[in-house]
Amino acid sequence: DQQVKQNSPSLSVQEGRISILNCDYTNSMFDYFLWYKKYPAEGPTFLISISSIKDKNEDGRFTVFLNKSAKHLSLHIVPSQPGDSAVYFCAAFANAGGTSYGKLTFGQGTILTVHP
Amino acid sequence: GAVVSQHPSRVICKSGTSVKIECRSLDFQATTMFWYRQFPKQSLMLMATSNEGSKATYEQGVEKDKFLINHASLTLSTLTVTSAHPEDSSFYICSARRISNSPLHFGNGTRLTVT
Repeated sequence: DQQVKQNSPSLSVQEGRISILNCDYTNSMFDYFLWYKKYPAEGPTFLISISSIKDKNEDGRFTVFLNKSAKHLSLHIVPSQPGDSAVYFCAAFANAGGTSYGKLTFGQGTILTVHP
Repeated sequence: GAVVSQHPSRVICKSGTSVKIECRSLDFQATTMFWYRQFPKQSLMLMATSNEGSKATYEQGVEKDKFLINHASLTLSTLTVTSAHPEDSSFYICSARRISNSPLHFGNGTRLTVT
C-alpha cells in the first residue's frame, strides 16, 4: 500500500523555468511533509518541509504547497538550475506525540533533469 | 556540512558472510537513529528504529535476526547484515535528527552488493 505517491517518475525542464514536482498521499493522519533531494550513491538531503497547519512554505527558490483537502503537495523550484538535477522524494509522517518523527513514509521519487 | 556519517560507502561481500555498517552522528547526540533501505527505482523504506541502550524496533517484514542493530552509544548505531544473500543487495541509509522536531539528517548510505 503506497501511502505516498509521486506519479511522475521523471521531469525535464529548461534552465530558468519553473519545475513543479507533485506528491499525493492517502493517509489522513499525516501532518508533516518534507522534500528531500538525492544524488546517486548519496543519502537524501533535506530541502524544505511543511506542517499541515500551513498551506505554503517558501525558502529561496523552493516553495512547497499543501492542499490538505486534496491530499496533495507540490514543490516548486524557480528558477530551475542545472545543479538542481537530482531525484526528489517527498516524505510524510504522523507527528502525533512526536514519537513517530523518524518514521517517514517516502514516495518513489521523481528524477528532475534541468537542461542548460 | 554533514551531520550524519555512514561507513563504509560501498561493500562487496560473498554470500553467507556478515557485514557491519556504522552510522555516527557528528557533534550531536542521537538517542534514536533510523535505518532505511532502498531497492533500485523504489522509495526508501524504513527498516528499524535504533534506540540507544535498548532493543531496536523493527518494521513489519524485517527480520530482526538477520539485520542486527546495536546502538551502543549516543553517537553510534551499527547495522549488521548477517549471513548475507544476493537478495540483501541494496542501498542502506541511516538517519538521525539533531534535536526534537528538526528534520531528519541522512548519512550518505552504503551500497551493499552480495555476490
